[in-house]
Amino acid sequence: AQSVTQLDSHVSVSEGTPVLLRCNYSSSYSPSLFWYVQHPNKGLQLLLKYTSAATLVKGINGFEAEFKKSETSFHLTKPSAHMSDAAEYFCVVSEARGRRALTFGSGTRLQVQP
Amino acid sequence: DAMVIQNPRYQVTQFGKPVTLSCSQTLNHNVMYWYQQKSSQAPKLLFHYYDKDFNNEADTPDNFQSRRPNTSFCFLDIRSPGLGDAAMYLCATSATTGNQPQHFGDGTRLSIL
Repeated sequence: AQSVTQLDSHVSVSEGTPVLLRCNYSSSYSPSLFWYVQHPNKGLQLLLKYTSAATLVKGINGFEAEFKKSETSFHLTKPSAHMSDAAEYFCVVSEARGRRALTFGSGTRLQVQP
Repeated sequence: DAMVIQNPRYQVTQFGKPVTLSCSQTLNHNVMYWYQQKSSQAPKLLFHYYDKDFNNEADTPDNFQSRRPNTSFCFLDIRSPGLGDAAMYLCATSATTGNQPQHFGDGTRLSIL
């Protein structure tokens, strides 16, 4: 069975400061991990994905995430927040085998203060 | 650009009146998904099609049905909407299942009067 825990429901940062959104996962098999972003009244946009290649994954808009198997974590970071980063972020896990769909975390709402 | 398009973006219906939401894709993906997302919650998978093979989630109410007449189109039918069905409905596609990323449309926000 697979599961995802996003450790913070809300994160608030000032513009220009670093962003850290935390995610822990559980998976019986080799997982694939994704971060999606959702702006208000929009669908989900893929930020980045980990599929057993490099453990440090670079995504769009300056985001990156590091897969740490020993800690079962996949935290999302960005060196400098921009006002346009304010949105809901979902950490998602999918197992490589079988036909299971994605398992979503509960989401983290990122606020960016001017 | 290849994309997933949902129509309409906003839909208002009356309690108990059937409603159909549509989704089309130009990605030529094999799999199409329907999610329900309520306010401040993660999307919840209702069902998905792998080609013409329909896969219903165990806890999806019978009130929700889907049709996929061809690769490009998929429809969500709500036979008798209740107030609890008011939500954002998201369509997504992927090339295959398993560890493939999904591509989402912008959703249809359904309101029930």
